[in-house]
Formats: sequence, structure tokens, C-alpha cells
Amino acid sequence: AQSVTQLGSHVSVSEGALVLLRCNYSSSVPPYLFWYVQYPNQGLQLLLKYTSAATLVKGINGFEAEFKKSETSFHLTKPSAHMSDAAEYFCAVSVGFQGAQKLVFGQGTRLTINP
Amino acid sequence: DTGVSQDPRHKITKRGQNVTFRCDPISEHNRLYWYRQTLGQGPEFLTYFQNEAQLEKSRLLSDRFSAERPKGSFSTLEIQRTEQGDSAMYLCASSLKETGSFGPGTRLLVL
Repeated sequence: AQSVTQLGSHVSVSEGALVLLRCNYSSSVPPYLFWYVQYPNQGLQLLLKYTSAATLVKGINGFEAEFKKSETSFHLTKPSAHMSDAAEYFCAVSVGFQGAQKLVFGQGTRLTINP
Repeated sequence: DTGVSQDPRHKITKRGQNVTFRCDPISEHNRLYWYRQTLGQGPEFLTYFQNEAQLEKSRLLSDRFSAERPKGSFSTLEIQRTEQGDSAMYLCASSLKETGSFGPGTRLLVL
């Protein structure tokens, strides 16, 4: 069964510093992988997705993620953190069934940006 | 594209009461999903519709929960005899292909 593990429930970085949020997946088939961001009391916004094309995926707001099959990882990075990046981030793997894709999410990583 | 909308955004109810939530997907999307998110956790899949057909239900969806999508457009999620453990954010998503758009969610608090 597909699953996702996010390492670190809480990450804190200084403004301007590198952001690294870790995600490892388990999948018996080539996975589709996603990163979502959630601001307080809001729904989920897609940051980026991997669908078996380029292994380095660029997303919105300067984020990118690299798919590494050998490490079963899909870590999210941003070179320089901004205060507006403070939010909850979720990694997800899709499970295909009946022509659709349901998502299995990790537990989330809360990102705090220090001024 | 007006996005996925959900109503109400917040609901407070007493234990034992019934509640109903509505989701309006993006108009051309034929697939609709419901997820539940409890505090400090990632969303968990509840159920999925393709057009008006409910094609899968999670084991999380007890017999107190029912979802419908009568005309293949909007969907409703009803919880009967609510329990405190039902307190959560209920998220709706819709899609044409593999990537969906999420609505803002309905936050339910059962007292």
C-alpha cells in the first residue's frame, strides 16, 4: 500500500535561509507525488507535482522538489525563506483506482519563519 | 474558474444532532472527493464520486455518514447522530484528471 512519511512535524528557519522539508514515500508502483501548502483555516493549495516526467519539479512561490527513486524521497526545498512561507506543508502520494486518483497524505510539517 | 466552494465554512453542533455539508465543484470536473482532516493530521480520504456514481468509500465512513451527488454536480455529506470524534475539517476536492483542486473546507465542532 502507498504511504508517505514526513520527517519533522515542525521546522523553523530564519528569513532568507534555505527551506528543506523531507518526505519519503512507499509505493509498489511508480508514484505520482505532490506537495500541498495549507494556511490557517484554509484548504489545500497545490505547490507542485511529480508525474514521472522530469525528476526535478519546479512549483509556485519558488519551491521545488526532486524525485529520487533510489532514496524513495521527494524533499521540498526553497533557497530563501520568506515570512509568507509560514504554513503547514503536506506531502502526498496518489493511489490510482477506478480511473481516479485519491491522495494519501503525510502528517504534515509546520514551517515557522523567524525574522 | 471560480474554484471549489464549500458551505458552511464553520458549523458548531451538539452531540447527537445531524449536520449536512455542501460542496460545489469546478463546473467541468466530473470527479469529486471528500476528505477529513483532524487537528495536527493530514487529510484522510473518505469517498469518491465519478459523475453521480459513488465508486469508493473508506472504512472511516461509518454508517452514520452518507454522501450524495444526485446530478453529478454538487455533493452533500451528511453526518447523523454526531459524536465529538466527528470534530474535524471536511475537505472537498474535484478533478478532471489526476490533480484536483481543493475547497476551503468546512470546520465542524461537536460539543
